[in-house]
Amino acid sequence: DTAVSQTPKYLVTQMGNDKSIKCEQNLGHDTMYWYKQDSKKFLKIMFSYNNKELIINETVPNRFSPKSPDKAHLNLHINSLELGDSAVYFCASSQDQGTSVAFFGQGTRLTVV
Amino acid sequence: GENVEQHPSTLSVQEGDSAVIKCTYSDSASNYFPWYKQELGKRPQLIIDIRSNVGEKKDQRIAVTLNKTAKHFSLHITETQPEDSAVYFCAASMGPSYGKLTFGQGTILTVHP
Repeated sequence: DTAVSQTPKYLVTQMGNDKSIKCEQNLGHDTMYWYKQDSKKFLKIMFSYNNKELIINETVPNRFSPKSPDKAHLNLHINSLELGDSAVYFCASSQDQGTSVAFFGQGTRLTVV
Repeated sequence: GENVEQHPSTLSVQEGDSAVIKCTYSDSASNYFPWYKQELGKRPQLIIDIRSNVGEKKDQRIAVTLNKTAKHFSLHITETQPEDSAVYFCAASMGPSYGKLTFGQGTILTVHP
């Protein structure tokens, strides 16, 4: 069983489109995250949710809207996609807020053309 | 907020040599320091972590040391093998109220056979 799974794995879309990435964890963790990994491999936190509540929003443009219907799911919706949004997006989860092992999903490679 | 600096950005060693990657952090309140390995096209995975009440931790060929006074921690890999080639990330967290891991910029380790 995959611990943290996200879909789709690849996403190619045109500028201006709206797209969503889904994430689910079956570890029973309380905290879930979205990280963005750019072309230089830098991993930067975007959002952090604890028990469905948003606890961190790292100055991400409001075109990015996370949604957590329950603590096992954290989805990311992106409006009006721009070229600069091209990156690998990783979902992750941990037992608590940042002080335990984070398990990552396999990543979604988003390419905006 | 926390800032984590990681050096070197690239490291090339011969098989069997040791490899050392160093990180510094800015906030003395940080108390959890994990290291992640990311193979090409894969997700980051935890390889070892250390908490602030411990100075050193070892797991087979991998060890991590922490100097709280100097605010730096290091990853040591002994008897390197080609399969150790990957990107390595250090990270730091200031505890549950902080809500996230802050990652270093990553080190590309290449082990030549």
